[in-house]
Amino acid sequence: ETGVTQSPTHLIKTRGQQVTLRCSSQSGHNTVSWYQQALGQGPQFIFQYYREEENGRGNFPPRFSGLQFPNYSSELNVNALELDDSALYLCASSSPSGGLTDTQYFGPGTRLTVL
Amino acid sequence: EDQVTQSPEALRLQEGESSSLNCSYTVSGLRGLFWYRQDPGKGPEFLFTLYSAGEEKEKERLKATLTKKESFLHITAPKPEDSATYLCAVPLQGAQKLVFGQGTRLTINP
Repeated sequence: ETGVTQSPTHLIKTRGQQVTLRCSSQSGHNTVSWYQQALGQGPQFIFQYYREEENGRGNFPPRFSGLQFPNYSSELNVNALELDDSALYLCASSSPSGGLTDTQYFGPGTRLTVL
Repeated sequence: EDQVTQSPEALRLQEGESSSLNCSYTVSGLRGLFWYRQDPGKGPEFLFTLYSAGEEKEKERLKATLTKKESFLHITAPKPEDSATYLCAVPLQGAQKLVFGQGTRLTINP
């Protein structure tokens, strides 16, 4: 069983640029969630995608956007990068478990540095 | 406001010295509580899900328990390889969004 994968591993951008991060969900999972984790903090929920539709969003501005594809992989796009966007970006996949809260399994993350 | 608070922020133990990590939450209608382990620069690794007060789960040297207000992660006779940040999280917004505590950074000295 293949776990959650993310690319790239590391990325360096300058302020004002745009970035796209990619995630492949675990086999059999149709839901992808994205989180931002600043150094020394817990992950913060950005949004979730289920069957190619946004299915919940956290307190992040519209310059954070996403997509989910028919194979359930997903992209996170961030426009007009700011210095505070420097963080570890985590993707998690899950699958509806018939009434119980779904367990989210995380990928290794993409470390984004904005200069 | 829904909140998750973990304590202590950091804990340093000697190998074999047992202790407990705390996760307290203020969430109405709890739909589960998750524990994850995170190594530096890596994604969180799932450990346990607890659904109701009184529930306990164990894995190797770790045991998680849940009450109506908090959860504990007990670590028995830890080894240096147990050093990591331990995160707890609760689901909100119809179980779509996980709200995390800030984590407890655990260091086990040999």
